[in-house]
Amino acid sequence: GAGVSQSPSNKVTEKGKDVELRCDPISGHTALYWYRQRLGQGLEFLIYFQGNSAPDKSGLPSDRFSAERTGESVSTLTIQRTQQEDSAVYLCASSLAYGIYNEQFFGPGTRLTVL
Amino acid sequence: DQQVKQNSPSLSVQEGRISILNCDYTNSMFDYFLWYKKYPAEGPTFLISISSIKDKNEDGRFTVFLNKSAKHLSLHIVPSQPGDSAVYFCAAYDGSGNTGKLIFGQGTTLQVKP
Repeated sequence: GAGVSQSPSNKVTEKGKDVELRCDPISGHTALYWYRQRLGQGLEFLIYFQGNSAPDKSGLPSDRFSAERTGESVSTLTIQRTQQEDSAVYLCASSLAYGIYNEQFFGPGTRLTVL
Repeated sequence: DQQVKQNSPSLSVQEGRISILNCDYTNSMFDYFLWYKKYPAEGPTFLISISSIKDKNEDGRFTVFLNKSAKHLSLHIVPSQPGDSAVYFCAAYDGSGNTGKLIFGQGTTLQVKP
C-alpha cells in the first residue's frame, strides 16, 4: 500500500502562532516516530509512539511541543507559540513494531518556516 | 552533544569510481548501525545496516565497514553511479535497551559526476 504521508508539505507561519503537523503511517505499523532536521544538522529524535502511547517524551525540545496518536494510526505534532528556532523539516516514520531491527519508513516531511 | 558525526558535509566522485562516506560515534553502547539515503523532497530510505558483532556487511554495490575500537564506520559504493547522488545519513541504535530511537549524523551530500 501507500507509504508514510505527511501534511502539509510546507507550512509558513508567523512567530507566536500554533501549528499542527499530521502524519499518516503505513497501515498496520504499530510504532510511529517524529524527528526534525534543522538546517545543516542531522535528524533529531523527538518522540515515538507504541500504539497510541508515548513512553518517552524526553526528546521534545520544550513544553510548547506536544504529540498525540489516535486509533494506532494518525499522529499530530503540535507546536504552540512557534519561535524562529522551530523552523525545520519535521519527519515522521513508522515501523511494524518498536525496537531495533524494525525498519523505519519515513515520510517526505513537513517544511516549517517561522517568520 | 553530537553522538554520531559525519565530518564531511559533501563528497564529489566520478562515475565508476569508489565513494567512501565516513561516520564516527562516541557512545560505546551503540550496537547497531544503519545508513540511510535521502533524495530532495523525499524522506530518508534505509540502505544498509551492520551489527556490532560484525565488521563488514555487503549488499550489491554497497558495503559497510565497522571498526569498533575506533568507533568508526564507513560506507563504500563501488562503482558509483549518478543515481547515487543524494544525502547519506549514518545512524545508530543505543543497545542499552530495546529502543527504536535512532541517533543520526548530520549527513554527507554525495555527488557522482557522469
